[in-house]
Amino acid sequence: EVQLVESGGGLVQPGGSLRLSCAASGLTVSSNSMSWVRQAPGKGLEWVSVIHSGGSTYYVDSVKGRFTIARDNSKNTLYLQMNSLRAEDTAIYYCASGICGDYCFDYWGQGTLVTVSS
Amino acid sequence: QSALTQPRSVSGSPGQSVTISCTGTSSDVGGYNYVSWYQQHPGKAPKLMVSDVSKRPSGVPDRFSGSKSGNTASLTISGLQAEDEADYYCCSYAGSYTYHVIFGGGTKLTVL
Repeated sequence: EVQLVESGGGLVQPGGSLRLSCAASGLTVSSNSMSWVRQAPGKGLEWVSVIHSGGSTYYVDSVKGRFTIARDNSKNTLYLQMNSLRAEDTAIYYCASGICGDYCFDYWGQGTLVTVSS
Repeated sequence: QSALTQPRSVSGSPGQSVTISCTGTSSDVGGYNYVSWYQQHPGKAPKLMVSDVSKRPSGVPDRFSGSKSGNTASLTISGLQAEDEADYYCCSYAGSYTYHVIFGGGTKLTVL
């Protein structure tokens, strides 16, 4: 059974940093595309970033230069380092796998809430 | 890139069929067969219902079907059940020169 468990969310001031983690079981993070998708309170879904099995990384324009996606193969864990956080980054952040392919998300974690506020 | 366009809400009675549309452009929906659909119940994570326009993952009832014509994709739910009441999001690859994925704004399905 595939399980994705996010952690690391919380309250942070504008301009601050957070690192989100997504511990995976039942799948190998390094063998699949792994993404972060966020959902602002009461809003829709927004794809944030992906790391492909080959290591290529991509980001939505609004987080380029501020967020970094990475993985630790030995821990089978996905990360999202978030710097220079803004109020508009406030959202539930989900990690999601792409076993179904590079352009779809089949397994999702329960999400972790990031609140950027002073 | 702008979000894909979905109706804010749709509704139907138990046993009926409903179709949710998802309109994009030739740079996303119309340009690739990489449209997927997600169901989200309140307070829960999204669930993949259809990938690659019309592929149903294991465990998803065959009451859910996807299709595409031109720049518009559709999710049809037949034999509506109370448990189908949820938000539905479409998603499409929109890469062209780089990797990019966009979602629709979401559709609230109400089972009357």
